Amino acid sequence: QKEVEQNSGPLSVPEGAIASLNCTYSDRGSQSFFWYRQYSGKSPELIMFIYSNGDKEDGRFTAQLNKASQYVSLLIRDSQPSDSATYLCAVNLRTNAGKSTFGDGTTLTVKP
Amino acid sequence: DAGVIQSPRHEVTEMGQEVTLRCKPISGHNSLFWYRQTMMRGLELLIYFNNNVPIDDSGMPEDRFSAKMPNASFSTLKIQPSEPRDSAVYFCASSLYTGKNTEAFFGQGTRLTVV
Repeated sequence: QKEVEQNSGPLSVPEGAIASLNCTYSDRGSQSFFWYRQYSGKSPELIMFIYSNGDKEDGRFTAQLNKASQYVSLLIRDSQPSDSATYLCAVNLRTNAGKSTFGDGTTLTVKP
Repeated sequence: DAGVIQSPRHEVTEMGQEVTLRCKPISGHNSLFWYRQTMMRGLELLIYFNNNVPIDDSGMPEDRFSAKMPNASFSTLKIQPSEPRDSAVYFCASSLYTGKNTEAFFGQGTRLTVV
């Protein structure tokens, strides 16, 4: 089992819809969770981080964390074609404090 | 701040040659990471420094790879000898590790092609 797993996708949604991206992790003691966005040919950039159970909202983005289920998700409301990218989930595993372990990413396409 | 700066942006080399990738982290950051990204294996952590000291190099694929961080503002990743399977995009990232928040800022990457 991978330490951080994401649905490989690709995920396709129409413009204006809600895109839901999911991530599970293996280390129950993990403390910090990040979502990065990577456009094709570019480097990853952080869009959200979350530390506590529940929801965290930032504009059109909402990160959800459920530590009991070892699950973190990213919701993108009112999806735009500019949101088309690969979304990487990263987890600061308890066993590797100070570094993040990345999932393989989910590629999202928002169709006009 | 200019962000994390990597050089070169692109490198094409012949199999067997030595390749050196360079990274300047964001000033004030205390952690530096070297990642490799391929379609097959995704984003893999190669090595991680904290306060210029290598903390975890378990991701370094083999002895052909070595990394150094002689000071807080510079790091190198060296491959000697290079092989075609080393072709990938290599990212350097830095962060200010405070015990919890490890938000990493990535450089633009070096696209390495070994022919």
